[in-house]
Amino acid sequence: QKEVEQDPGPLSVPEGAIVSLNCTYSNSAFQYFMWYRQYSRKGPELLMYTYSSGNKEDGRFTAQVDKSSKYISLFIRDSQPSDSATYLCAMRADSWGKLQFGAGTQVVVTP
Amino acid sequence: DAGVIQSPRHEVTEMGQEVTLRCKPISGHDYLFWYRQTMMRGLELLIYFNNNVPIDDSGMPEDRFSAKMPNASFSTLKIQPSEPRDSAVYFCASSLTPGNTEAFFGQGTRLTVV
Repeated sequence: QKEVEQDPGPLSVPEGAIVSLNCTYSNSAFQYFMWYRQYSRKGPELLMYTYSSGNKEDGRFTAQVDKSSKYISLFIRDSQPSDSATYLCAMRADSWGKLQFGAGTQVVVTP
Repeated sequence: DAGVIQSPRHEVTEMGQEVTLRCKPISGHDYLFWYRQTMMRGLELLIYFNNNVPIDDSGMPEDRFSAKMPNASFSTLKIQPSEPRDSAVYFCASSLTPGNTEAFFGQGTRLTVV
C-alpha cells in the first residue's frame, strides 16, 4: 500500500463549479502538507502549504487537513478552464524530510 | 531569472546507451533535487544536493544511475547503461530552503529508451 493515496481521475467539471480534491495517507508522522499544480508538459508548482491540521485559504483555493482521519482536501471555487491541470498532494514528517507525493488527479474544467 | 533550466527537453535513445540529463538551478538556490515521474510510480525523489554535496541518494534506483554537481550552477544525472524501464520524465528542482516545499521545478526531460 502506498503511503499517500490519490484518485488519478480525470475529474471533469463545468466552469464555475467547485472542484474538490483529496488525498489519504497512512503515516501519522506527516505534519507538512502541500498541493502542487502541474500543467501538461510542465513541472509542478506549489499551490498551497499547510502545517498540521486546519484550513488555509488563498483566493479561490482552500486547503484542509484532518490529521485524525489522515485526510487532506483542496477546494477550488469558481473554477476556470485555466485550472485544468493535474493536482498533486505531497506531505512529509518534518521540515527536512523527503516529500511523499500522491499520484496526482487530472482536472478538466469545461467552458 | 529564467527559472530552472533543463536540457534536453526530449531524449530518445537505444537500450544500453549512456544518457546524460542536465540542469541549471536558479541562481542562489543552495538545494538541488532530481525527480523522476512515471504513470506507475508518480513523482519520486532520486537524489538531492546541498551546496553541491549529495545529501540523500536513497532514491536512486540502481547503480546505473549517478548524479553530480560540479558547481553551484550545474548538475547532471547520468544513466549508464539505459534500459526501457528508465523511460520517464525527469525533473530537476532547486530551492532556498532545506525542505523541498518551496522548490521550483524545471520543465523536465522526457526520456524514452527503446
